[in-house]
Amino acid sequence: NAGVTQTPKFQVLKTGQSMTLQCAQDMNHNSMYWYRQDPGMGLRLIYYSASEGTTDKGEVPNGYNVSRLNKREFSLRLESAAPSQTSVYFCASGDGTGGAEQYFGPGTRLTVT
Amino acid sequence: GESVGLHLPTLSVQEGDNSIINCAYSNSASDYFIWYKQESGKGPQFIIDIRSNMDKRQGQRVTVLLNKTVKHLSLQIAATQPGDSAVYFCAEGQNTPLVFGKGTRLSVIA
Repeated sequence: NAGVTQTPKFQVLKTGQSMTLQCAQDMNHNSMYWYRQDPGMGLRLIYYSASEGTTDKGEVPNGYNVSRLNKREFSLRLESAAPSQTSVYFCASGDGTGGAEQYFGPGTRLTVT
Repeated sequence: GESVGLHLPTLSVQEGDNSIINCAYSNSASDYFIWYKQESGKGPQFIIDIRSNMDKRQGQRVTVLLNKTVKHLSLQIAATQPGDSAVYFCAEGQNTPLVFGKGTRLSVIA
């Protein structure tokens, strides 16, 4: 039982490049989330998917797109990376949207130069 | 080392002492509260949670206290150990995604 897995662990992009961060969970959770974490800012929600087939914007969605590929997988895409998107990205999953524990992946450290 | 957590409030505690980490939440309608621990280079890990119909909940060496009147949440760690050194986040929720606080760094002095 791997829990929440994320790939890649590290990535360096040049400004304007695109990439997709992958996330998968094996706990049969309905809800999945993408957060970014910057120094002193805590965790900020980018997008979430309350159930398969639905996605919603979080606090900081600009510059990102998501796809809930199936119940297990939720990807985050940066179409044209900017230095302001340098951050650590965490994927999480859980049973309920706001009333239950979320389980986090190990994170992806992204640097945009 | 991990750059996350710079400029956070820091609590320094002697090994063996009790730690109290505080959190003020913003939404009086929130009915679910949770504490996470984040070690350097890792994702947040669940510590303990509490629902709004309770004032106190205990786990192994940890206790969460909820004061809805002043919208305050606290995490107490008994007999703090070096392995407790980490950043601690509170979060609140209801039927919308969890909202996380900025975190407190706990530093345990051996």
